[in-house]
Amino acid sequence: EAEVAQSPRYKITEKSQAVAFWCDPISGHATLYWYRQILGQGPELLVQFQDESVVDDSQLPKDRFSAERLKGVDSTLKIQPAELGDSAMYLCASSSQAGTGELFFGEGSRLTVL
Amino acid sequence: DAKTTQPTSMDCAEGRAANLPCNHSTISGNEYVYWYRQIHSQGPQYIIHGLKNNETNEMASLIITEDRKSSTLILPHATLRDTAVYYCIVRVAGQAGTALIFGKGTTLSVSS
Repeated sequence: EAEVAQSPRYKITEKSQAVAFWCDPISGHATLYWYRQILGQGPELLVQFQDESVVDDSQLPKDRFSAERLKGVDSTLKIQPAELGDSAMYLCASSSQAGTGELFFGEGSRLTVL
Repeated sequence: DAKTTQPTSMDCAEGRAANLPCNHSTISGNEYVYWYRQIHSQGPQYIIHGLKNNETNEMASLIITEDRKSSTLILPHATLRDTAVYYCIVRVAGQAGTALIFGKGTTLSVSS
């Protein structure tokens, strides 16, 4: 069964350092999402791509976060510099244009900022 | 998207049916009810969705009231592996590329 791949699974970094997360969606899925999930809360949308274009990045803290999907396939989410409050699970999801558009999520990347 | 209200937590004995309620009193006519669940330290997983008719699949059943203002997700024979956070989400289906807006969900604890 096709899956959304994410790496790294776990990342520990010190504040002010740069960190990057990678996501490879299910093949053929045009829409890609990055969510952030703080412990005890539901996932919060950070950015949404349609192919290589950003559809919604209204909740992305653009002073320190950036996201790209250059060829419309895999995507990278970067944080620079990391802050203590960025400690969270970063989830990637993808969906196709066909069908009911359900989202398929990866296992997530857990970030701890010290 | 319409807002949903779910209980914070629920308990269920293993082998019994788990009935998870969700209120969505402001749902629009073209909005579907989706259910996802998230097992600890994993990404959310799609369970089921419906518009107005009851739906059933290999994982669960979804019962939607006639006025569509509430619904219930039913896990017919809960197992320990069903312990998870369950999210009820209202969303316009057919608009591929519409993001899911998550609330806090219901934490279901299944015990032996």
